[in-house]
Amino acid sequence: GQQLNQSPQSMFIQEGEDVSMNCTSSSIFNTWLWYKQDPGEGPVLLIALYKAGELTSNGRLTAQFGITRKDSFLNISASIPSDVGIYFCAGGTGNTGKLIFGQGTTLQVKP
Amino acid sequence: GAVVSQHPSRVICKSGTSVKIECRSLDFQATTMFWYRQFPKQSLMLMATSNEGSKATYEQGVEKDKFLINHASLTLSTLTVTSAHPEDSSFYICSALRANYGYTFGSGTRLTVV
Repeated sequence: GQQLNQSPQSMFIQEGEDVSMNCTSSSIFNTWLWYKQDPGEGPVLLIALYKAGELTSNGRLTAQFGITRKDSFLNISASIPSDVGIYFCAGGTGNTGKLIFGQGTTLQVKP
Repeated sequence: GAVVSQHPSRVICKSGTSVKIECRSLDFQATTMFWYRQFPKQSLMLMATSNEGSKATYEQGVEKDKFLINHASLTLSTLTVTSAHPEDSSFYICSALRANYGYTFGSGTRLTVV
């Protein structure tokens, strides 16, 4: 079945540093979504991407939909302590609306 | 904005009993709802896709007789875990898909079976 490979698995950075994480797949996706999940909560949408090559920003977050439609990255600039959490990429294939989630990247920020 | 209410947020039940989890889209009609399961430190795994008025479509390996899904209206889907066992303890999350607006996730239900 379809799988997403998300990396890195975890990151421990200093406040103010930039962060980058990515997802790759052998399958093509029509939609790429990036979510953040806090402990005991459901995922919250950060950025949605719908076109190959699309580059979208949301505050300090920037994400791109890879031109091959098989990958996406998320960058966080000037990290702050509240950026701590687990970040998931998710790929959608269209007709069924189903999303496939990456394994997650756990981000820890040291003040 | 689009809000999805999931209830209860936490439930503890005895082994062998059934538990019902509700997922409601509060301010929109959802064409499709999805149910996910998440074990500690793992990703979300899709269990089933639910469309109003029709039978749910289950992912491979998910027992449809154990995880009963009812999608009674465009704003409500329920997941019932029947004859729960300790291995069913997990974090269950629903999501609602609204045409042209995308996905909204519920806040999840922590199920503990003792």
